[in-house]
Amino acid sequence: DAGVTQSPTHLIKTRGQQVTLRCSPKSGHDTVSWYQQALGQGPQFIFQYYEEEERQRGNFPDRFSGHQFPNYSSELNVNALLLGDSALYLCASSSLANVLTFGAGSRLTVL
Amino acid sequence: AQSVTQLDSHVSVSEGTPVLLRCNYSSSYSPSLFWYVQHPNKGLQLLLKYTSAATLVKGINGFEAEFKKSETSFHLTKPSAHMSDAAEYFCVVSWGASGGSYIPTFGRGTSLIVHP
Repeated sequence: DAGVTQSPTHLIKTRGQQVTLRCSPKSGHDTVSWYQQALGQGPQFIFQYYEEEERQRGNFPDRFSGHQFPNYSSELNVNALLLGDSALYLCASSSLANVLTFGAGSRLTVL
Repeated sequence: AQSVTQLDSHVSVSEGTPVLLRCNYSSSYSPSLFWYVQHPNKGLQLLLKYTSAATLVKGINGFEAEFKKSETSFHLTKPSAHMSDAAEYFCVVSWGASGGSYIPTFGRGTSLIVHP
């Protein structure tokens, strides 16, 4: 399967902890975007990585950071977790075609 | 700035009847428009996209959408609903940002409920 893969699928953390989520893009895609989807809401754009650089960023605090590796895979890091960070985190990859391919997501619960 | 409004949070239809999911957008530039579907506990799947070619766009699973610039709308339709169509549907507007990137903006979603 050459789709987008995310890990872990589910995780539980407590307030103040840190979390790292991982994403492998679809084969042939070089751009990775991260989204936060709270329950009952549409996905909210966090940031986008291209050529190992953060290219665009949404309205999220600096506690949210990321990284892209030479093989185009990406990580999303969230520090000092808050209860409100509980959400489904979606990774999407794309290329020049401007069409996003999404992974199944990582569901984060903060207690 | 760009924004997208999905006019209905829930739409309920009977199996075999038509589906209409409404979407209005606001964009300062010629937008690209998309519809994505999300089944429970799944990622989002692209249904169809409009990128300034034909205004009537056909997608997967019998869905289609019509781009109406004068109404700034991109409504999603299907002639006959199937039980498997029950899911969350998102309308998305995207336009070129700085550096050649595209930042899609999602609507809040419409939950399609299909009754037997």
